[in-house]
Amino acid sequence: GENVEQHPSTLSVQEGDSAVIKCTYSDSASNYFPWYKQELGKRPQLIIDIRSNVGEKKDQRIAVTLNKTAKHFSLHITETQPEDSAVYFCAASMGTGGFKTIFGAGTRLFVKA
Amino acid sequence: NAGVTQTPKFQVLKTGQSMTLQCAQDMNHEYMSWYRQDPGMGLRLIHYSVGAGITDQGEVPNGYNVSRSTTEDFPLRLLSAAPSQTSVYFCASSSQAGAYNEQFFGPGTRLTVL
Repeated sequence: GENVEQHPSTLSVQEGDSAVIKCTYSDSASNYFPWYKQELGKRPQLIIDIRSNVGEKKDQRIAVTLNKTAKHFSLHITETQPEDSAVYFCAASMGTGGFKTIFGAGTRLFVKA
Repeated sequence: NAGVTQTPKFQVLKTGQSMTLQCAQDMNHEYMSWYRQDPGMGLRLIHYSVGAGITDQGEVPNGYNVSRSTTEDFPLRLLSAAPSQTSVYFCASSSQAGAYNEQFFGPGTRLTVL
């Protein structure tokens, strides 16, 4: 069945360093790849997304890259700040309208001041 | 707009009891879905709906029922609760329109089954 794998499960970086989280997906029909951030005790919220006809997208300190051939996509956070500490989830959407969404297991990011 | 609302926020059940988790959205979104979140396992899709009267199974549908009689509401029913259903449940909605499929999540329901 559809599967999204996410690595690493935990990531600790020094403030100001970059953080990279990687995901792979199994269903070649996937066409939409969102990233969600979840702070402790809160609901997940979308931070950036990318569609299958785009290779890279950037929004200030965060960027996503997509390699459709390899079925890989990655989240890059530059100049990390303590408030970036949270759990990050990648996801892949498949099906009509790109709605049915399968999530990765999450990466807990710690940014040390 | 209230966005996506869920009730209750917390619930404790005994094994074998049944209950319904409520989810409502006021954004006129066509798509709604239910996820469960367990430590280290991310968000797993239980059931989803692409419109009123249409539902389908996700990754982990066993033990749960859904229906979608209106665009606004998407309740999740636990027929006979089991300790393995202890989890945090999130409802989400998104719009079919446009190029974006951002899902908006509710605040979650923390369920404990004893």
